[in-house]
Amino acid sequence: ETGVTQTPRHLVMGMTNKKSLKCEQHLGHNAMYWYKQSAKKPLELMFVYSLEERVENNSVPSRFSPECPNSSHLFLHLHTLQPEDSALYLCASSQGGGRSNTEAFFGQGTRLTVV
Amino acid sequence: AQSVTQLGSHVSVSEGALVLLRCNYSSSVPPYLFWYVQYPNQGLQLLLKYTTGATLVKGINGFEAEFKKSETSFHLTKPSAHMSDAAEYFCAVSAFNFGNEKLTFGTGTRLTIIP
Repeated sequence: ETGVTQTPRHLVMGMTNKKSLKCEQHLGHNAMYWYKQSAKKPLELMFVYSLEERVENNSVPSRFSPECPNSSHLFLHLHTLQPEDSALYLCASSQGGGRSNTEAFFGQGTRLTVV
Repeated sequence: AQSVTQLGSHVSVSEGALVLLRCNYSSSVPPYLFWYVQYPNQGLQLLLKYTTGATLVKGINGFEAEFKKSETSFHLTKPSAHMSDAAEYFCAVSAFNFGNEKLTFGTGTRLTIIP
């Protein structure tokens, strides 16, 4: 496998459910990101992990809980979501380490629908 | 602080015509600039990037962009549009932030190609 892989591609969940989104990168990068893409809104950066430590949390509600067990894997744990959380969730990775001239590589996203 | 403005949320061009997608940025430090493309239900794919050096940057699929510092612009062009270019395009800026890379995206421009 190459690049950044996200699973599942589609997810429908009730407001009381608990689910997790998974992201895996095979690029040897040391920074990983979660973005939220909603209709008619700019891409919103949710979390940044660099060298497996969270370095940024852009005031995301606690019903979203990230986990980065190693530099290749990133999870987003979801619980008691709201309908307005329905969106495309994108994972990305980059070389990081202060080298902001390197681009981010994106997964195909998980289309989440909260019912 | 940094920001990106993409003028025109929707652009339509005829097949074979020039494509011009506009991007203006704001950054307190020398920026790194990127254009990404997103096809329906897919993640973002890098088209091209400007870091340093030559201000005219060539990317994939015949696209190119020119960094103009005096105009704080990084417009994306393609001489002749193809039906397969129909997608959403995002301009992004990144600036060194002591190890905390942060890509800031514009709101995107949806490109429609008219047969």
